Amino acid sequence: DVKVTQSSRYLVKRTGEKVFLECVQDMDHENMFWYRQDPGLGLRLIYFSYDVKMKEKGDIPEGYSVSREKKERFSLILESASTNQTSMYLCASRRQGGDYEQYFGPGTRLTVT
Amino acid sequence: AQSVSQHNHHVILSEAASLELGCNYSYGGTVNLFWYVQYPGQHLQLLLKYFSGDPLVKGIKGFEAEFIKSKFSFNLRKPSVQWSDTAEYFCAVKPRGSQGNLIFGKGTKLSVKP
Repeated sequence: DVKVTQSSRYLVKRTGEKVFLECVQDMDHENMFWYRQDPGLGLRLIYFSYDVKMKEKGDIPEGYSVSREKKERFSLILESASTNQTSMYLCASRRQGGDYEQYFGPGTRLTVT
Repeated sequence: AQSVSQHNHHVILSEAASLELGCNYSYGGTVNLFWYVQYPGQHLQLLLKYFSGDPLVKGIKGFEAEFIKSKFSFNLRKPSVQWSDTAEYFCAVKPRGSQGNLIFGKGTKLSVKP
């Protein structure tokens, strides 16, 4: 079974703090993704990575950055957290090539106060 | 731009009722289609997928979906829902063969009354 794990299920941070969300997958997938999920808005892509040290902006990258130093790990960084970044963050991974399903982690519910 | 439209934001049904959730997409080329489900407090999981072949696909837990190319639709169906089907359902689309990303609909919340 593919496993995508995220470092925290719940996180509470203060405005202005630097926040790291970690994601690890154990199936040697090349592609990894970060989404945020908000009620009524569905899933919106923040950043994705096709391979180690590669990253591409998604639909809503502002206020976020990412890091992929190892194939299995994809980190999402909030440089200076703001209250409008309170959300559920989902990580996903997928095998290279396109016609494969995407596997999701359990999500991190981040609250910024 | 590609987009996915899910017609209903919230659907409320009684147990044993039949379910149909609508999904339409806008993209001119060939696509892969997915339905994901998120049960309360759980992570997103794949319900079913269509890549090619028979346009009627069967997924887990008695769900099925039909791809109608002429209508750009991929509606999800279940003949008789159970209380345990209470969840949020997301339709997603990806251009076939590309490195592109899944485009998700905004989701439909299904509440099944016991």
